[in-house]
Amino acid sequence: GQQLNQSPQSMFIQEGEDVSMNCTSSSIFNTWLWYKQDPGEGPVLLIALYKAGELTSNGRLTAQFGITRKDSFLNISASIPSDVGIYFCAGQVFTSQGGSEKLVFGKGTKLTVNP
Amino acid sequence: NAGVMQNPRHLVRRRGQEARLRCSPMKGHSHVYWYRQLPEEGLKFMVYLQKENIIDESGMPKERFSAEFPKEGPSILRIQQVVRGDSAAYFCASSLNYEQYFGPGTRLTVT
Repeated sequence: GQQLNQSPQSMFIQEGEDVSMNCTSSSIFNTWLWYKQDPGEGPVLLIALYKAGELTSNGRLTAQFGITRKDSFLNISASIPSDVGIYFCAGQVFTSQGGSEKLVFGKGTKLTVNP
Repeated sequence: NAGVMQNPRHLVRRRGQEARLRCSPMKGHSHVYWYRQLPEEGLKFMVYLQKENIIDESGMPKERFSAEFPKEGPSILRIQQVVRGDSAAYFCASSLNYEQYFGPGTRLTVT
C-alpha cells in the first residue's frame, strides 16, 4: 500500500531557529497537505499543495510540492514556543467521482521549542 | 462557521460493549471520513462516506465495525463487541472538495 516516510521523527530547537521537515513516498499523489496536531486535539490544516513544483507560504510556514509528485517539505522560520506540536504530512489522490480520496499520513515530526 | 464536531470526546467501554461515535461535518460539507490514531502514530484511514453512501471502506476491519452517514443527522461510527485493541483516538474529517478538516476526536478506552 501507499506509505509516506516523514523525517525527522523529532526535533529540539531554540526559539528563533528555522525548522525543516520532509516527506517522501514511492507513490505519486495529486495533493500534499501539512497538518499540525496539539495534544488531545485533532489535526489542523496548515498548507495544501496542488501542483507539482508549487511553493506556498502561510505566514512563517513555507511548503513545496516536489516536481516528481512524490515528496514535499515544510519549513518554519523564526520558531516560537507555540510552534510546539506534532506535524504531519499527508498525501492524497482524487476519485473519479470527484471529491477527495483518503489521506495517507506520515508518522509525524514532533517539534520541541526551547524558549 | 462551526468546525467539525465530534461527540463524545471521551468514551469508556468494557470489553464486549458497543461504542457509538458521532460526527457532524462542517456546514455545507457532504463528504465525511473516519480515521483512527494509535499513540505515537499517524492517522490511518478507515472509511469515506457521502450522504447515504459508503464510497470507500477499504480501511475498515471486516467485522464489528460499521459506519453510516444518513440523509439527516450526524455520521456514526459503530464498533460492536469492543476489545482492548480498539482503544484509540478516532477522528472524523469533512470536505467540500479536496481539503479535509478534522474534528477534535473521540478517545475510546476499552477496559
